[in-house]
Amino acid sequence: DTAVSQTPKYLVTQMGNDKSIKCEQNLGHDTMYWYKQDSKKFLKIMFSYNNKELIINETVPNRFSPKSPDKAHLNLHINSLELGDSAVYFCASSLWGPGNIQYFGAGTRLSVL
Amino acid sequence: AQKVTQAQTEISVVEKEDVTLDCVYETRDTTYYLFWYKQPPSGELVFLIRRNSFDEQNEISGRYSWNFQKSTSSFNFTITASQVVDSAVYFCALSGTNTGNQFYFGTGTSLTVIP
Repeated sequence: DTAVSQTPKYLVTQMGNDKSIKCEQNLGHDTMYWYKQDSKKFLKIMFSYNNKELIINETVPNRFSPKSPDKAHLNLHINSLELGDSAVYFCASSLWGPGNIQYFGAGTRLSVL
Repeated sequence: AQKVTQAQTEISVVEKEDVTLDCVYETRDTTYYLFWYKQPPSGELVFLIRRNSFDEQNEISGRYSWNFQKSTSSFNFTITASQVVDSAVYFCALSGTNTGNQFYFGTGTSLTVIP
């Protein structure tokens, strides 16, 4: 059983399109995250949600909109895709509270052509 | 401010050599947590270890060991008798107590173990 699952694993699309990435966790966690990993492997937090409430919203273009329908799901919608959006996007989850371990999904490799 | 520095960008070792990956952190929190994650070529991020700031005991897990030293703000990771399967990018991360569960990742160290 996959603890944190993301779909799709690969996403190839044209500039200007809109796309979504879905994330689900079955660990019973109440906090979920989206990270972006660029070509140099740098991991940058984008958003975090606790009990469906937005907690962290780093400097991310408005074209990125997270949505958390419930504690077990956090989806990422991207409008008007640009070349610079090409990256690997990771979803993660944890229990709320300092020092709790974040468990990561396998990542979604987004390629914008 | 919270910051993690992994000065070693890439390391190559020959199989069976020991290798140490360095991690230096900055924080003003008195309570904080340090983590190591492994990202193998397949791409997933795998949790390896968590330490809290009050526990400076070194930890050993098989061929892996971690040396936490508050005096030098370091949390170094040593792999003994490295194997090809250890080839991966390793990330050190820091989490404080007033940062909304946020992790601060280092830039990662890419380890290649040559057979």
